[in-house]
Amino acid sequence: AQKITQTQPGMFVQEKEAVTLDCTYDTSDPSYGLFWYKQPSSGEMIFLIYQGSYDQQNATEGRYSLNFQKARKSANLVISASQLGDSAMYFCAMFPNRDDKIIFGKGTRLHILP
Amino acid sequence: NAGVTQTPKFQVLKTGQSMTLQCAQDMNHNSMYWYRQDPGMGLRLIYYSASEGTTDKGEVPNGYNVSRLNKREFSLRLESAAPSQTSVYFCASTSPGLAGRNEQFFGPGTRLTVL
Repeated sequence: AQKITQTQPGMFVQEKEAVTLDCTYDTSDPSYGLFWYKQPSSGEMIFLIYQGSYDQQNATEGRYSLNFQKARKSANLVISASQLGDSAMYFCAMFPNRDDKIIFGKGTRLHILP
Repeated sequence: NAGVTQTPKFQVLKTGQSMTLQCAQDMNHNSMYWYRQDPGMGLRLIYYSASEGTTDKGEVPNGYNVSRLNKREFSLRLESAAPSQTSVYFCASTSPGLAGRNEQFFGPGTRLTVL
C-alpha cells in the first residue's frame, strides 16, 4: 500500500539553525513524485519543493532542499538558516504516477524559537 | 489568474442540512481533488476527478458526493450533514506532467462546522 510517514509531530528549533523534517514513503510504483507543503497558521497550503523519483540530483529551492534517499525511501526536507516565519505545519506528499491520487503525511508542526 | 477558488470560506450547518461546496480553477488543469483536514490527521482525500466527466473515491468518501461540472469546476455535496463532517475542506488541482512536476495548487479552504 502507498503510504507517507512523518514521525515528528512537533519540533522546536532555535532561529538561524538548520532544520531537518523527516519523511518516509512506501510505494511499489517505479515512477513517483514527492512534495513538501507548508501550512502557516493562516491555513493556506504553500508549495515548497518537488523531487521526481528519477531525478539524479536532490531538489533545492532557495533555503529549502530535499534530501532524497531512494533506497531508503526517504525524502527529508532541510531548511537552512531557519527564520521565525518558518513556524508552520509541514506536510510531505507523494504522487504515484500511475494514478491521480496524491497521498499526504500527517504533518510536522515546526516552531522556530527567537 | 485566480488559481483555485472555493466558496464559501465559512459555513455553519445544523445536523441533517445539505450544502454544496464550490471549487473552480482557471489553470486548465485536468485533475481536481477534494480533501478534508482534521486536527492531527493531515489531509485526507475525499474524492478526485482525473478529467472532466470522471470521478473516483478517495480515502474518506462516505457522506459526500461530487460533480465535475466541466473542466473548471468540481463541487462537493453533503446531502445530510453530520457533526463528524466538521472540518476544513480544501479543493486542489493539478496537471500531471506539467513542466516535469506535479504540483498541486490549493484553494484557500472552507471551514465547515456542523452543529
